[in-house]
Amino acid sequence: DIQMTQSPSTLSASVGDRVTITCRASQSISSWLAWYQQKPGKVPRALIYKASSLESGVPSRFSGSGSGTEFTLTISSLQPDDFATYYCQQYNSYPWTFGQGTKVEVK
Amino acid sequence: QVQLQESGPGLVKPSQTLSLTCTVSGGSISSGNYYWSWIRQPAGKGLEWLGHIYTSGNTKYNPSLESRVTISLDTSKNQFSLKLNSVTAADTAVYYCARDGNQRAFEYWGQGTLVTVSS
Repeated sequence: DIQMTQSPSTLSASVGDRVTITCRASQSISSWLAWYQQKPGKVPRALIYKASSLESGVPSRFSGSGSGTEFTLTISSLQPDDFATYYCQQYNSYPWTFGQGTKVEVK
Repeated sequence: QVQLQESGPGLVKPSQTLSLTCTVSGGSISSGNYYWSWIRQPAGKGLEWLGHIYTSGNTKYNPSLESRVTISLDTSKNQFSLKLNSVTAADTAVYYCARDGNQRAFEYWGQGTLVTVSS
């Protein structure tokens, strides 16, 4: 299985901050990477697919980059609605696997 | 807009079979280059992909569960189903159905259903 490792596990930030989350794959996954946002008790929401493509309806302050084994999710200016847990997920090789999550909390 | 909704028992006894159904609306389950997936999330933990089924009926399962899991399609009802046998307390989780494919990952999700394994 491809292991997905996110860093940091927890990130403390303030509204207006630029936030970056990193996701590393244990082997190359080309650009087959997605990012999700999940709030407590809610369904994960897809933000990014194919490493850098924004899902419909997702604010442009979210962006994704990377290829191969290293990827980043950036929130250009953190908004109150963005405090949540973020997961990366690879869909290059079976089984599809997720990172362990990064919780973005209020500083 | 595609919508998915899980249904099934919320409580299953140990060693029995967990059975869930996902009903799809807003589009045909048998059209398009899509896969229909099951994902689960134990309380306070991360996400685990269980497997998916293609519109043709071809399946792929997570090897960690492959001996216990079956996913099937019912195109007449626009539904797909999950069966997980020989369950233990470790299978207690929120179970989600979702759609992936067309170079996207999980674009659409059901609301999730909590399944507790307990006697």
